[in-house]
Amino acid sequence: EVQLVESGGGLVQPGGSLRLSCTASGFTFSSFEMNWVRQAPGKGLEWLAYTSRTGSVIYYADSVKGRFTISRDNAKSSLNLQMNSLRAEDTAVYFCAREKSYGLDVWGRGTAVTVSS
Amino acid sequence: DTTLTQSPAFMSATPGDKVNISCKASQDIDDNMNWYQRKPGGAAVFIIQESTTRAPGIPPRFSGSGSGTDFTLTIANVESGDAAYYFCLQHDHFPYTFGQGTTLEIK
Repeated sequence: EVQLVESGGGLVQPGGSLRLSCTASGFTFSSFEMNWVRQAPGKGLEWLAYTSRTGSVIYYADSVKGRFTISRDNAKSSLNLQMNSLRAEDTAVYFCAREKSYGLDVWGRGTAVTVSS
Repeated sequence: DTTLTQSPAFMSATPGDKVNISCKASQDIDDNMNWYQRKPGGAAVFIIQESTTRAPGIPPRFSGSGSGTDFTLTIANVESGDAAYYFCLQHDHFPYTFGQGTTLEIK
């Protein structure tokens, strides 16, 4: 079964850091581009970051550029999101999603991040 | 950035109804529009790709239409299991953007 499972969420203080992971199974992870997306409480979804199959091409949303870093470990079928300088407005459920030529086709269930003192 | 205006935000339907959810893009995105369904606690499920093509395993009750800036997801003969959060995504260019979502309630 094709599956993505996010982990690493939790409660963090403003200005703190958190590292999210997304573990893939059921497909050849290295053959797919990957993305991170989030949804804040009561808000719509927001795309955050994209990585190519090798990690050589990366894009970020302006809202997280310079604070978040997307990376991947193809040997471990793992996608990561390092989040620094966290703010209250980063409170959200974070999803990883696989990408094909026709868009995001497989999503995880998400991991919740709360930024609060 | 391309803004997607999705409507309605909430709708209630009776089993057997036909429902339409709209997504309007602030600029031309050709047919690079996808639709998804998400139920509480679950992962988003891919319903429609490239505006009109059903994803594998999606019943023909679900259909998509539109091109350019105006898109519609139609669910015919709504069933109780269709109660969910539906959202659109444009993947024509980065940054990818999403509609605000529609919560479908089945009476």
